[in-house]
Amino acid sequence: DVKVTQSSRYLVKRTGEKVFLECVQDMDHENMFWYRQDPGLGLRLIYFSYDVKMKEKGDIPEGYSVSREKKERFSLILESASTNQTSMYLCASSQLAGNYNKQFFGPGTRLTVL
Amino acid sequence: GENVGLHLPTLSVQEGDNSIINCAYSNSASDYFIWYKQESGKGPQFIIDIRSNMDKRQGQRVTVLLNKTVKHLSLQIAATQPGDSAVYFCAESVFSGTYKYIFGTGTRLKVLA
Repeated sequence: DVKVTQSSRYLVKRTGEKVFLECVQDMDHENMFWYRQDPGLGLRLIYFSYDVKMKEKGDIPEGYSVSREKKERFSLILESASTNQTSMYLCASSQLAGNYNKQFFGPGTRLTVL
Repeated sequence: GENVGLHLPTLSVQEGDNSIINCAYSNSASDYFIWYKQESGKGPQFIIDIRSNMDKRQGQRVTVLLNKTVKHLSLQIAATQPGDSAVYFCAESVFSGTYKYIFGTGTRLKVLA
């Protein structure tokens, strides 16, 4: 089975702090994704990456950046955390790019920004 | 995860009965769909997928039905068990410069003993 792990399950940070969320997958997948999940909304795509050192903006990239230095690791960075970034953050990976890419998710990181 | 179900519709089903969870999708050009299950405190788990050249696909205890005419997707769970209690949501693959998913907000399934 694909295993996607995220560095923290729960995180509490203060406004203005720089926050790093780490994601690692063990199935040699090319593609990795970061989403946020909020009550009443579907998952929203923040950033994704189809290869090492490649990144593309998703639907809500503002206030975030990403890093993909190694194939198995995809990091989400909040340069200066704000309270409206309090959310559940989900990382996913998939083997295929393009259509029919079956995404597998990590357990999520619940981030609270005070 | 926690609080993802605050505003969700809820389906309550007696243990052993069949469950039907519905999803309306938005894009008539979407040709690939996935159902996910999300238990409290966990990430979404892939259940079953279907391509638009099919109307029906069956897995173990689950069946997905696709009606392209009305842009409707359903997930049927046979002989619902307590372990099926979770939030279920669908995802449709859309092309907008690249392929991305649009995720539904989900339905909470409660299995009554």
